[in-house]
Amino acid sequence: EVQLLESGGGLVQPGGSLRLSCAASGFTFSNYAMSWVRQAPGKGLEWVSTFSGSGGDTYYRDSVKDRFTVSRDNSKNSLYLQMNSLRAEDTALYYCARGTNPNGMGVWGQGTTVIVSS
Amino acid sequence: SYELTQPPSVSVSPGQTVSITCSGDKLGDKYAYWYQQKPGQSPVLLIYQNTKRPSGIPERFSGSTSGNTATLTISGTQPMDEADYYCQAWDSTTVVFGGGTELTVL
Repeated sequence: EVQLLESGGGLVQPGGSLRLSCAASGFTFSNYAMSWVRQAPGKGLEWVSTFSGSGGDTYYRDSVKDRFTVSRDNSKNSLYLQMNSLRAEDTALYYCARGTNPNGMGVWGQGTTVIVSS
Repeated sequence: SYELTQPPSVSVSPGQTVSITCSGDKLGDKYAYWYQQKPGQSPVLLIYQNTKRPSGIPERFSGSTSGNTATLTISGTQPMDEADYYCQAWDSTTVVFGGGTELTVL
């Protein structure tokens, strides 16, 4: 069964750091681009970052550039998101998703919650 | 920055057909994707590459494009289709989601 399982969320003070993890199973992880998408409480989906399946290219939304770093370890079938200098507006449910252009994000995890508050 | 515009809400009666639009500059030159999200659940990919349905997605869901507008059409809408729907596209090296449309099945 194809599955994505996020972890690492929690409560952190403004300016703090967190590292999210996404463990993949049931498919050849290295063959796919992987993304992080977040959803603030009561709000819509917001793309955060993508790590390409090959070539090592990474992409970020402007508001997280220089604060967040996406990485992957294909030997561990895992995707990561290092989040530094966290702000209240980063509070959201963070989803890990498989795929991107041209076939879409066809598999999603259940999400992990990040709350940035003092 | 690139934006995709969707109507905030749409309503439909059971068994009827409903369309949800998504507009964006030069959207016709890009692929459009559609996702369904029910309360408390993760999003599900409904349509990719404008018109294609992943396996397991019912045939009543279809996608189309015309000019700078992508459209998701649900034929024979069922009460279980009540959900939020999001369009998505790539703009250069960024992923953009529309604001979402809340579908109510009355």
